[in-house]
Amino acid sequence: NAGVTQTPKFQVLKTGQSMTLQCAQDMNHEYMSWYRQDPGMGLRLIHYSVGAGITDQGEVPNGYNVSRSTTEDFPLRLLSAAPSQTSVYFCASSYRQRDQPQHFGDGTRLSIL
Amino acid sequence: GEDVEQSLFLSVREGDSSVINCTYTDSSSTYLYWYKQEPGAGLQLLTYIFSNMDMKQDQRLTVLLNKKDKHLSLRIADTQTGDSAIYFCAAQPNTGNQFYFGTGTSLTVIP
Repeated sequence: NAGVTQTPKFQVLKTGQSMTLQCAQDMNHEYMSWYRQDPGMGLRLIHYSVGAGITDQGEVPNGYNVSRSTTEDFPLRLLSAAPSQTSVYFCASSYRQRDQPQHFGDGTRLSIL
Repeated sequence: GEDVEQSLFLSVREGDSSVINCTYTDSSSTYLYWYKQEPGAGLQLLTYIFSNMDMKQDQRLTVLLNKKDKHLSLRIADTQTGDSAIYFCAAQPNTGNQFYFGTGTSLTVIP
């Protein structure tokens, strides 16, 4: 089973560049989310989606866009990369939007120079 | 929103028990979760507890929940070097759809 797949695993960008982090799940999960992980700060929610066509902001949404055109895919777009967005990004999904554990991808390590 | 807190570091000797603590502020969560993160990897679900339970045991893992004090703990018996990792507690309050994670506790097991 593939589970939650994130690509790329590593990326280096220059300030001002844009890019899309891909996330796909093959478990027919309704709920998908993006987190960033920074030292000493745990995981902070960027955006989440409770189903295809529905997205909402999390704790730290500024500088990021998402869309959910299919159940399987939930890409995260950085519009104009800034050094403060250097982080490890995790995508997660769960079967329903409530009372279900989240399954995580292996992460994308992003550096902005 | 929910505030989930953990201590940052814990060091134990191999074979001893480890206890990782977590406190939270919103008591409406139906389930509380523990995740493990090994270096360079994503988070792996370890165990969870339903909010109407006080204790759950799963092999070497014991979860204790004190709802009055909003305190959750994870005990790992006979800790091994392979248990060295970062452990996160997480909650999803009934007031919304967001999961809230603690800062993570880095467990180091000394051989």
